[in-house]
Amino acid sequence: EAQLVESGGGLVQPGGSLRLSCAASGFTFSRYWMTWVRQAPGKGLEWVANINHDGGDQYYLESVKGRFTISRDNAKNSLVLQMNTLRAEDTAIYYCTRRVANGGDWFDPWGQGTLVTVSS
Amino acid sequence: DIQMTQSPSSLSASVGDRVTITCRASQRISNFLNWYQQKAGEGPKLLIYSASNLQNGVPARFSGSGSGTDFTLTISNVQSGDFATYYCQQSYSTPNTFGPGTKVDVK
Repeated sequence: EAQLVESGGGLVQPGGSLRLSCAASGFTFSRYWMTWVRQAPGKGLEWVANINHDGGDQYYLESVKGRFTISRDNAKNSLVLQMNTLRAEDTAIYYCTRRVANGGDWFDPWGQGTLVTVSS
Repeated sequence: DIQMTQSPSSLSASVGDRVTITCRASQRISNFLNWYQQKAGEGPKLLIYSASNLQNGVPARFSGSGSGTDFTLTISNVQSGDFATYYCQQSYSTPNTFGPGTKVDVK
């Protein structure tokens, strides 16, 4: 069974940095695109970034471009989101999810999420 | 970016009811539409992919339909475990965007 477990969240001051990790198991990690999605407290879901199979292509939400970097280590079955110059509006639960493509594409499964709070 | 809307934003239902949630895209997205269920304190769970395909392990009381700009998620015979928030998501273009959600609670 495919599983994803996020870690690395916490409280950080505005302008600070945080590194989120996602450990994947139960599937061949290197065959899939991976994605980060976030959810501000009490709000809906917002796609943040995608990375392709080998890490050569990345795509970002406009508001995080230049501040966030998505990367992966296929040897370690690990996905990372490096977040710099954090803002209050980045406060959210960050979910790691696998992008499944077969005709269309969808996100499955999802991790339990890790909470990032940006506050002074 | 493609904007997704959902209606209603919330609804109340009783066990055994039939519930329909509507999702609309701001431009045509063929059948590139997925539905997720999210319970409090949990990550989302895929229910329906490509508008009408039931994800493995999801009960058959969940169904999806639609194409183009208008889509529906139907829960027939609502069960106690179905009280949750439901999101649609388009995968036609990047950024993939989600609807604002529909909260289904107990009447």
